[in-house]
Amino acid sequence: SQTIHQWPATLVQPVGSPLSLECTVEGTSNPNLYWYRQAAGRGLQLLFYSVGIGQISSEVPQNLSASRPQDRQFILSSKKLLLSDSGFYLCAWRQGANTGELFFGEGSRLTVL
Amino acid sequence: GENVEQHPSTLSVQEGDSAVIKCTYSDSASNYFPWYKQELGKRPQLIIDIRSNVGEKKDQRIAVTLNKTAKHFSLHITETQPEDSAVYFCAASRGILTGGGNKLTFGTGTQLKVEL
Repeated sequence: SQTIHQWPATLVQPVGSPLSLECTVEGTSNPNLYWYRQAAGRGLQLLFYSVGIGQISSEVPQNLSASRPQDRQFILSSKKLLLSDSGFYLCAWRQGANTGELFFGEGSRLTVL
Repeated sequence: GENVEQHPSTLSVQEGDSAVIKCTYSDSASNYFPWYKQELGKRPQLIIDIRSNVGEKKDQRIAVTLNKTAKHFSLHITETQPEDSAVYFCAASRGILTGGGNKLTFGTGTQLKVEL
């Protein structure tokens, strides 16, 4: 069966420090991968998505970047965190084109101080 | 791009009553509309979905209706129970073949509270 893991689960970082959140999917190949951010207002905002290795689409201009170095690995990064980067980050995967369920990871709570 | 609006943002009902959450979307090419439930501290999980070739779908106490002409869809929960308390998200997407890139755009969520 397929599983998705992301880490770390919680992170407290000072302003201006770098960030790296990692997500891996097991039990499937060539998944579509996504990074969402859930701010205090509860909405799920799509940050990045990837349909293949090295293919990254950005949805909103921001202080973050994403990379997909391997088929089932998706990384969210920042060189210098801002206070506004605080939030709950969710990695997710989906198989195929518009075929249904989006599976979320456990989430990473980032607090920037 | 797609824009999904969701109402209400909070909803309180008595146990046993029905709850209705409504969403509208902007992209007429969207053809897949799922609903996710997120319990406190947990990840969102799919509870029901509907495709644009049907107008209604039911799964026990949960039903979703879709009006393509008006570009809106709704979640109906009957005989609500305390365990239905959670945040519910609607979403919309179109497939890769229609140039959508397989993105899922979410609404802002509805906090449902079922009171005893």
